[in-house]
Amino acid sequence: IAGITQAPTSQILAAGRRMTLRCTQDMRHNAMYWYRQDLGLGLRLIHYSNTAGTTGKGEVPDGYSVSRANTDDFPLTLASAVPSQTSVYFCASSESDRGSSGYTFGSGTRLTVV
Amino acid sequence: GQNIDQPTEMTATEGAIVQINCTYQTSGFNGLFWYQQHAGEAPTFLSYNVLDGLEEKGRFSSFLSRSKGYSYLLLKELQMKDSASYLCASNGGYNKLIFGAGTRLAVHP
Repeated sequence: IAGITQAPTSQILAAGRRMTLRCTQDMRHNAMYWYRQDLGLGLRLIHYSNTAGTTGKGEVPDGYSVSRANTDDFPLTLASAVPSQTSVYFCASSESDRGSSGYTFGSGTRLTVV
Repeated sequence: GQNIDQPTEMTATEGAIVQINCTYQTSGFNGLFWYQQHAGEAPTFLSYNVLDGLEEKGRFSSFLSRSKGYSYLLLKELQMKDSASYLCASNGGYNKLIFGAGTRLAVHP
């Protein structure tokens, strides 16, 4: 079934540890995104990539990094986790950067930093 | 600045009609999206408006007024399974969607 796979589903992480959230899509979508979702704040864009080899910063990029070595994979790395990074993280993709196609979302990663 | 406003919570009765409003202010505009999100699940695409007017898709319709920075999602013949959060999102350019905090809809028998 075509779609986006995120791993892990959930994780409890000690503060100060490094963590990479994985995201893989098999739809050959050019654009990919990472959002975090917090109660009362909605989805906020962390980083995005319009095509393989390029990335950009979203609304809340601090403490996070991404890479886009190929079309399918878009991992998100927390270099040194802090409790404020406790959130649900969603990866998404779209066919193009032109807007009308909408996003397909992964099922999310629930991260707790203690 | 970028701002998307929508009500936090709404309740409605099974079989009824409900309208969820959204106002937006974004630095660019390339369309307005509505997503549905059930608790603990990923958002799923409902509708997209880029021109003024009403787009109808089965029991769901979405309206856009670009001059007023206003959209609404209309849900008809409500069913219990429609209990979910509804997210309004503006495409501010390069398909980077700016989301509102979501409206939590509870449908009661």
